[in-house]
Amino acid sequence: ELKVEQNPLFLSMQEGKNYTIYCNYSTTSDRLYWYRQDPGKSLESLFVLLSNGAVKQEGRLMASLDTKARLSTLHITAAVHDLSATYFCAVDIWTDKLIFGTGTRLQVFP
Amino acid sequence: ETGVTQTPRHLVMGMTNKKSLKCEQHLGHNAMYWYKQSAKKPLELMFVYSLEERVENNSVPSRFSPECPNSSHLFLHLHTLQPEDSALYLCASSQDNGAYNEQFFGPGTRLTVL
Repeated sequence: ELKVEQNPLFLSMQEGKNYTIYCNYSTTSDRLYWYRQDPGKSLESLFVLLSNGAVKQEGRLMASLDTKARLSTLHITAAVHDLSATYFCAVDIWTDKLIFGTGTRLQVFP
Repeated sequence: ETGVTQTPRHLVMGMTNKKSLKCEQHLGHNAMYWYKQSAKKPLELMFVYSLEERVENNSVPSRFSPECPNSSHLFLHLHTLQPEDSALYLCASSQDNGAYNEQFFGPGTRLTVL
């Protein structure tokens, strides 16, 4: 059974600090996506990673993909309150399906 | 209208009611999806339509019935639901071009079954 696991599930961090969210998956894939969801809202696409070693950056967020390790990371640099949300990774298994991770709820406090 | 829209945004229904959720995408995509999001659970894929043909049905109970009349519209017909069906129902669309399958989500319908 394909599994996509994120850790941590919950992250409370202080403004200005750095941290990394991990996404591990159990099958071969070289396509992975990161989404953000604000409370009560829909999912917003953040990053599309399409090959081994892919790295994408937007503002204080940077995502990378290691297909050999079946691992993607979402690194947060100098967190600010506006980054508080739930972050999902989703693995593309070359069908019409995306398999979503459990989500990481990020809370940034002053 | 741009992106993916869903109506209604909120729905409260009794277990004997029949209702429908509507999704419309304005992105020219060729695939549409229904997902269920419950508290403390990963996003669950329910149905996939590609080129208006259903290609995936993830063992969803028959009280949920999808309909895709064209590539821009997707419906989810609901009847005799159970309280555990209360959740956020998300519609998504994508252009599966063989290179990647980034999905774009609508705002969701918050469903409460009494």
